[in-house]
Amino acid sequence: GENVEQHPSTLSVQEGDSAVIKCTYSDSASNYFPWYKQELGKGPQLIIDIRSNVGEKKDQRIAVTLNKTAKHFSLHITETQPEDSAVYFCAASIRNSGYALNFGKGTSLLVTP
Amino acid sequence: NAGVTQTPKFQVLKTGQSMTLQCAQDMNHNSMYWYRQDPGMGLRLIYYSASEGTTDKGEVPNGYNVSRLNKREFSLRLESAAPSQTSVYFCASSLRVSSGSTDTQYFGPGTRLTVL
Repeated sequence: GENVEQHPSTLSVQEGDSAVIKCTYSDSASNYFPWYKQELGKGPQLIIDIRSNVGEKKDQRIAVTLNKTAKHFSLHITETQPEDSAVYFCAASIRNSGYALNFGKGTSLLVTP
Repeated sequence: NAGVTQTPKFQVLKTGQSMTLQCAQDMNHNSMYWYRQDPGMGLRLIYYSASEGTTDKGEVPNGYNVSRLNKREFSLRLESAAPSQTSVYFCASSLRVSSGSTDTQYFGPGTRLTVL
C-alpha cells in the first residue's frame, strides 16, 4: 500500500521545550491527515487533524502544518509537559477505501522534568 | 456513551485454534475498521466496513475474516491462528457523513492476542 514515513522514531526533550515530528506520504489523493496520541496500554486518541485545503492548524500548544506540494506534514508541540510523553502517530487517508488511514510507525516522545 | 468497546481485552491461543474478536460502537457511526499494531510497525489496516452491509480488505487481510453484523457491531475472526498473528488488535469507527469527506476515527482500547 501507500507509505507514510514518520521521523524521528524517538524524541527526548526537556520540559518547556518544543517537539517537532515530521511525516511524508506518497499518495497524492490523500486529503486528510490526523495525528494520534497513544498512551501505554490504551488505544490511539486523536489530538489534531488537518485537511488538504488548509496549510496550518493550531489548537493551544499543538499545531500541524501541511505542504501538499512536497507531501509532508508536521506536528509541533510547544511548552512540552511530562504528560505529553506518549507515542504519536501520523496518518494519511487512503483513496477509495471508505476513508481508512495509513499510519506512520510512530514517535516515542519523552518529556523530562 | 461508551464509545468503541472491544472484547476480550486479552487472549492466549494455541496455533490452529479459532476465535472471534468483538467490537461495538454506540455513536451511530457508519464506518468501522480493524487494525493490528506490532512493535515498530504502527497500525496496519486489516479490514474495513465503509457502511452496514459492506466489507473490504485492507493492507494485511490474510488469515482473517470479518462480519458487519449490524450498524453497531463489527467482528474479526481468526479461523486458524498462527504465531504471526500475535499482536494488539484495535477496532475503530467513524461517522462518514458524506462521500468525499474523511472524518475522525475513534479507537477502542484494544485486544492483546498471543498465539503460542
